[in-house]
Amino acid sequence: DQQVKQNSPSLSVQEGRISILNCDYTNSMFDYFLWYKKYPAEGPTFLISISSIKDKNEDGRFTVFLNKSAKHLSLHIVPSQPGDSAVYFCAPITVYGQNFVFGPGTRLSVLP
Amino acid sequence: DTGVSQDPRHKITKRGQNVTFRCDPISEHNRLYWYRQTLGQGPEFLTYFQNEAQLEKSRLLSDRFSAERPKGSFSTLEIQRTEQGDSAMYLCASSLVEEDEKLFFGSGTQLSVL
Repeated sequence: DQQVKQNSPSLSVQEGRISILNCDYTNSMFDYFLWYKKYPAEGPTFLISISSIKDKNEDGRFTVFLNKSAKHLSLHIVPSQPGDSAVYFCAPITVYGQNFVFGPGTRLSVLP
Repeated sequence: DTGVSQDPRHKITKRGQNVTFRCDPISEHNRLYWYRQTLGQGPEFLTYFQNEAQLEKSRLLSDRFSAERPKGSFSTLEIQRTEQGDSAMYLCASSLVEEDEKLFFGSGTQLSVL
């Protein structure tokens, strides 16, 4: 039972263009949503988050959008840079639990 | 203090052997988590500690797995009688209670069971 889906295993984008990574979830108890980025041979690092009371959160080149009714969130990276090439994980959490449920990840490749 | 440290980075063992991994969290972090990641999947939660207390364990954590955090600082994860299905990356993370949405991960221990 996959509670979190990231239906694009990989994505290639040209440098300077927009990258859009999608995440869908099924558990309506999720109320806080995070994105983590992972480079090879390193652990994931926190990137950006959004609370369920918001529909948008922006941090520099990174913006996360949340559509609660559709149980969908997306991460926009504008402009994309080669250093953004990594695996991106969507990780929601409920207010009651302490364990994050990570999606399977999307491998982003930003081509120079 | 440069972050979460895990040791060893790689471990190759034969089926049936016991293995133990160590995690040193960021010193002021009171929460410590263990996750497991297999190829093509996101990290899966195994267990977490607040200080020395183990507060939650996943159903994934069979009775062959045991984790400890005896003094509320470093933690160990032991796998007894390893099986080939235990081959995975074992990730440790830590956080502050006040900012527990932000996990700081170590680089992981890659376990290969032959």
